[in-house]
Amino acid sequence: DAGVTQSPTHLIKTRGQQVTLRCSPISGHKSVSWYQQVLGQGPQFIFQYYEKEERGRGNFPDRFSARQFPNYSSELNVNALLLGDSALYLCASSLLRQGANEQFFGPGTRLTVL
Amino acid sequence: AQTVTQSQPEMSVQEAETVTLSCTYDTSESDYYLFWYKQPPSRQMILVIRQEAYKQQNATENRFSVNFQKAAKSFSLKISDSQLGDAAMYFCAYRSARGRGGADGLTFGKGTHLIIQP
Repeated sequence: DAGVTQSPTHLIKTRGQQVTLRCSPISGHKSVSWYQQVLGQGPQFIFQYYEKEERGRGNFPDRFSARQFPNYSSELNVNALLLGDSALYLCASSLLRQGANEQFFGPGTRLTVL
Repeated sequence: AQTVTQSQPEMSVQEAETVTLSCTYDTSESDYYLFWYKQPPSRQMILVIRQEAYKQQNATENRFSVNFQKAAKSFSLKISDSQLGDAAMYFCAYRSARGRGGADGLTFGKGTHLIIQP
């Protein structure tokens, strides 16, 4: 079975632009979470979506938004990009919304903001 | 808010030896989950081991085991018989069991870079 896939792999944008990142979860997984990993740091939680609804949000500004589609794939949108948004964006899927169930991570999208 | 602290930015161990990575966390909750994730240079994060806070028995997965001290809020990872393939960043993570709002996500530490010397 395919793992979590993310596209694109790399992306270069300039300040003020908008970006959309995409994630396809493992087949059968209904929960998708997004994380931002700045170089040299651990990932930071941005959003969790379960059954197409936002179920959790981390401490990120409203410039960050996301949605989940009927096939459980997800998009993360970031508006008005800042230099500080440069990071690896990780998507993780899991079977259930909560608990000790494993989150399976994708390879990430490396976003560079110039 | 919960915080996770990994005080060792880098650790080095000889191949076949044992190494312990430290993790402490701060929470006011009594029910939660703890995880160790491995991130090799290829970047894909992989779950190594997990622990439910209500379980007193320490989790083990082959060469990987944890020392969970709930009162001390400590969750260390022991890797026995270290192998070259164990070289990676290791992240300790916390997840609330209550699942309210932002508590649904994992809270990660800053990571420990593990080097395996041949």
